[in-house]
Amino acid sequence: DGGITQSPKYLFRKEGQNVTLSCEQNLNHDAMYWYRQDPGQGLRLIYYSQIVNDFQKGDIAEGYSVSREKKESFPLTVTSAQKNPTAFYLCASSIVTVGNTEAFFGQGTRLTVV
Amino acid sequence: AQSVAQPEDQVNVAEGNPLTVKCTYSVSGNPYLFWYVQYPNRGLQFLLKYITGDNLVKGSYGFEAEFNKSQTSFHLKKPSALVSDSALYFCAVRVREYGNKLVFGAGTILRVKS
Repeated sequence: DGGITQSPKYLFRKEGQNVTLSCEQNLNHDAMYWYRQDPGQGLRLIYYSQIVNDFQKGDIAEGYSVSREKKESFPLTVTSAQKNPTAFYLCASSIVTVGNTEAFFGQGTRLTVV
Repeated sequence: AQSVAQPEDQVNVAEGNPLTVKCTYSVSGNPYLFWYVQYPNRGLQFLLKYITGDNLVKGSYGFEAEFNKSQTSFHLKKPSALVSDSALYFCAVRVREYGNKLVFGAGTILRVKS
């Protein structure tokens, strides 16, 4: 089946620890995105990538890092610098960065700081 | 700033009755508008989009949306609600910045009671 796979579904992080969220897609999409979802705030863009080996900061990039070494993969690292990392994280992809195409989303990773 | 607004945090409707979930937008130029649905602890599923052409757009699961340029609105509708339609609904607009990212409204919880 074609789609976007995020793992793990649930992740627990200790204070001061870095964690990495995985996102893989087999849709042959060029563009990939990471969003953060908090209750009542909709989704906010963390990072995006339009092509392999290139990525750009979104609205709330502080405390996060990404890489795009392969077209299929766009992992997100939540660093210890992120002050409030507890949230639901969603990865998305789209064919190209053209406005009239919809984005497809993974099932999300719920990160909790313990 | 380009944005979308969903004025209702929650919409309650009886099963079998028509439903409307409201969305208004503020963008420069022609908007590309989208509706997504999210079930608990899941990713977003694409429902429908407006790019150009007919103001009434039909989508998945019997949903439709009406684009109104003069009122800058893109309300989601369904003639007869089902209990299984209960979920969180997001309106979104594509913007040219940040790799044509999606800008989301805060979301509207739809509750359909039998």
